[in-house]
Order: sequence, then C-alpha cells, then structure tokens
Amino acid sequence: DTEVTQTPKHLVMGMTNKKSLKCEQHMGHRAMYWYKQKAKKPPELMFVYSYEKLSINESVPSRFSPECPNSSLLNLHLHALQPEDSALYLCASRQGLAGNNEQFFGPGTRLTVL
Amino acid sequence: AQSVTQLDSQVPVFEEAPVELRCNYSSSVSVYLFWYVQYPNQGLQLLLKYLSGSTLVKGINGFEAEFNKSQTSFHLRKPSVHISDTAEYFCAVSPPAGSNYQLIWGAGTKLIIKP
Repeated sequence: DTEVTQTPKHLVMGMTNKKSLKCEQHMGHRAMYWYKQKAKKPPELMFVYSYEKLSINESVPSRFSPECPNSSLLNLHLHALQPEDSALYLCASRQGLAGNNEQFFGPGTRLTVL
Repeated sequence: AQSVTQLDSQVPVFEEAPVELRCNYSSSVSVYLFWYVQYPNQGLQLLLKYLSGSTLVKGINGFEAEFNKSQTSFHLRKPSVHISDTAEYFCAVSPPAGSNYQLIWGAGTKLIIKP
C-alpha cells in the first residue's frame, strides 16, 4: 500500500459546525503533515507530526486542532471556521528517516465554509 | 533560508511539442529539489527528485530535470507533451536536515496543452 487516503473528499459546513478531516497511511511513515491550499497557490504548511508528536505548528488559528492517534492516522478537527478557511486540505506523509524526505500526498478534502 | 522562483505562471504549448518549465532557487546550504504535479481537482504527485549524484534526473511520465548548481536551477523538461500533461507543476526545495525537511514551494506553473 503506497498511498495516503483522506476522507471526506468534499465537506460543506457552517461557521458553527464541528467536523473532522481524516488522513491515513499504511506505509510505516513516521512524519505526517497537514497543508492548506487555496486555488492557484502552492500548499501552505499547517502542522507537522513526527513520531506521533506535534513538532511544527505554523501559527495556525486554534479553530484548527490536529490529532495524531497513532502512527497511521492523522485528524484535523474543525470548529467555528470562517468562510476564508474554505480551501483544499492536503495530508502528506514522509518516511521519517534522514536522507529520504519525499512527501507522499493524499487527494485532499475540498472544504467549503458557508 | 531558502526560496524558490518559478519564472512562468503559465506555459502554453502545442501537443507533441517539447516543453521546459523553469525553476530557480536560493539557499545558503545544499538542498534537495523536487518537482510535483497537481492534476485538476487532485492532490500532489511527485514527478522527480534530486538528492545527490547525477545532475540529470529522470521521473515519471517522460519528464526529466537537470540540476545546475552554478545557476541554482532545476528546470523540468519533456520532449513531447500530451494533452494529459495539462496540470499545475510545483518546484520545491528542502534542506537536507532539520525543520522536519519542510518543503519550500515555488508559486507553480500551469502547463496548458493546445491541441
């Protein structure tokens, strides 16, 4: 299994809703990433988990809350989002070993906040 | 700190013609270099990467790139494009250690294939 899966594929939510995005990989990778991508722009790094510990938080608002329950799973909990948070949310994983730092990306979750 | 410049926001090219997408980077340390492709409504897929060794790197779908250290460039080429190559192409660099190997991204180049 050489892929990163993300669910749901699409999500529409109101500003008062609570929802979660899910990411899964079974490649034995030990680093996992959340990115936000706006249309026609490169991905922006949000969070990095390394060996299930949060190692980087790129000053992301607290309405985004990441969670790494185990080495294969990464969640992004969403609460009280704003319309400007509408974007493609990408998950990626990396093997975690020095010298091999290719990131494998999932297909993304297209989020619309009304 | 590193930065990446993709010199063209869009490149239109006729089908079966050759194409070159340009990428220049700035870094005070050695970096790893990557090209990713994003097809419409999809995630990113690695086309090729340069870590060390031969400066000519071959990737998937007939793409190749050449690392030029003196010109700090990593241009992507394909000798004959197909309509299915229509996509956004991102160049990225990463330091060889530290910062969880964060990718520094270029702004992207949209490849438009004209029939």
